[in-house]
Amino acid sequence: DTAVSQTPKYLVTQMGNDKSIKCEQNLGHDTMYWYKQDSKKFLKIMFSYNNKELIINETVPNRFSPKSPDKAHLNLHINSLELGDSAVYFCASSQEPLATDTQYFGPGTRLTVL
Amino acid sequence: GESVGLHLPTLSVQEGDNSIINCAYSNSASDYFIWYKQESGKGPQFIIDIRSNMDKRQGQRVTVLLNKTVKHLSLQIAATQPGDSAVYFCAESPWSDYKLSFGAGTTVTVRA
Repeated sequence: DTAVSQTPKYLVTQMGNDKSIKCEQNLGHDTMYWYKQDSKKFLKIMFSYNNKELIINETVPNRFSPKSPDKAHLNLHINSLELGDSAVYFCASSQEPLATDTQYFGPGTRLTVL
Repeated sequence: GESVGLHLPTLSVQEGDNSIINCAYSNSASDYFIWYKQESGKGPQFIIDIRSNMDKRQGQRVTVLLNKTVKHLSLQIAATQPGDSAVYFCAESPWSDYKLSFGAGTTVTVRA
């Protein structure tokens, strides 16, 4: 009965590899997000989708590509992983795309690039 | 650029005491503010929010105070409990915007 779920919870990989993180929400929300949290706990928005359409695309390297196959899923694919990509990645969802609508976060995926 | 930040990165509190977590912001266009709590190994969780037409809002054991004159936001936790140990984030946004800007976070540790 988890509201926002992410897989995997931990991901350890070598530089240069390509990896994906999956996110699913069962809240019936229209909007989903990806955030990156660095080692200092700073949380920064990367992308958001509303009804499968991209509405926020922050200054993120184009090695990062989100994909929303349907409203309940937002996956994050990362090509040619770099050391600086090591972080915790959080998926979130909200009913509406406005910042004033409460966002519900998943448990996070800790990515370690060696 | 304009950002939201916190005054102190860590706060140690005796169990049963009140906690005050501070946040300063610089975006004068912001009129929506929110506090999130992140426990170890988990994602952030909504605590309380406030709009700029208010200066105080109370929840269960928590109170948020907003001073727009000095661009300051605070979260007060009454009778702090061990379960309150977490990282607390403030975030802000203009009312009609799509993006929340988060501050750096304050780590609260509750001493028994």
